[in-house]
Amino acid sequence: EAGVTQFPSHSVIEKGQTVTLRCDPISGHDNLYWYRRVMGKEIKFLLHFVKESKQDESGMPNNRFLAERTGGTYSTLKVQPAELEDSGVYFCASSLDRTLSYEQYFGPGTRLTVT
Amino acid sequence: AQTVTQSQPEMSVQEAETVTLSCTYDTSESDYYLFWYKQPPSRQMILVIRQEAYKQQNATENRFSVNFQKAAKSFSLKISDSQLGDAAMYFCAYATSGTYKYIFGTGTRLKVLA
Repeated sequence: EAGVTQFPSHSVIEKGQTVTLRCDPISGHDNLYWYRRVMGKEIKFLLHFVKESKQDESGMPNNRFLAERTGGTYSTLKVQPAELEDSGVYFCASSLDRTLSYEQYFGPGTRLTVT
Repeated sequence: AQTVTQSQPEMSVQEAETVTLSCTYDTSESDYYLFWYKQPPSRQMILVIRQEAYKQQNATENRFSVNFQKAAKSFSLKISDSQLGDAAMYFCAYATSGTYKYIFGTGTRLKVLA
């Protein structure tokens, strides 16, 4: 069974540019989560999808971030325009169910560097 | 608000030796879960071990075990017979029962010396 995959693995962009990160969850997992780790700090929750619906986007930093999940399959996270403080590692996770009885499976992350 | 603290940014252990990674947390909840995740370089973050707060018995998974001290709000990870493949970033995480948001610590980078 394929795990959670993320693309690209690393992205370097200039301040003011746009970047789109993609996450492919494990097949059949309705729940998809985005997290972010700014260098040296803790991993923080950004948002949660159930199928194509956003259930909780309380962790999204500001309106420069837009997450979508087309058809309840893969998800994209767009940052527009990117700022220096957006640099970090963006993790995606998926789970079969939202309850904690079900493990969240994480992808390897996308390292975003904004220069 | 709940917080998770990992006070050791980096640890080293000799191959075949034992190492303990520290994690403390703060919560006013009584029902919650604690996790240790491992992230090898450029690889998926994988669940190493989990502990339900209502269970008094410490969780164990092969060479990995935890020391869960609920009153002290401490959740340390012990790795026995360390192997080169154990080298990774280790994250401690907390989640209140009924929620799905994990709250992570800052991580501990473990180096295993041959």
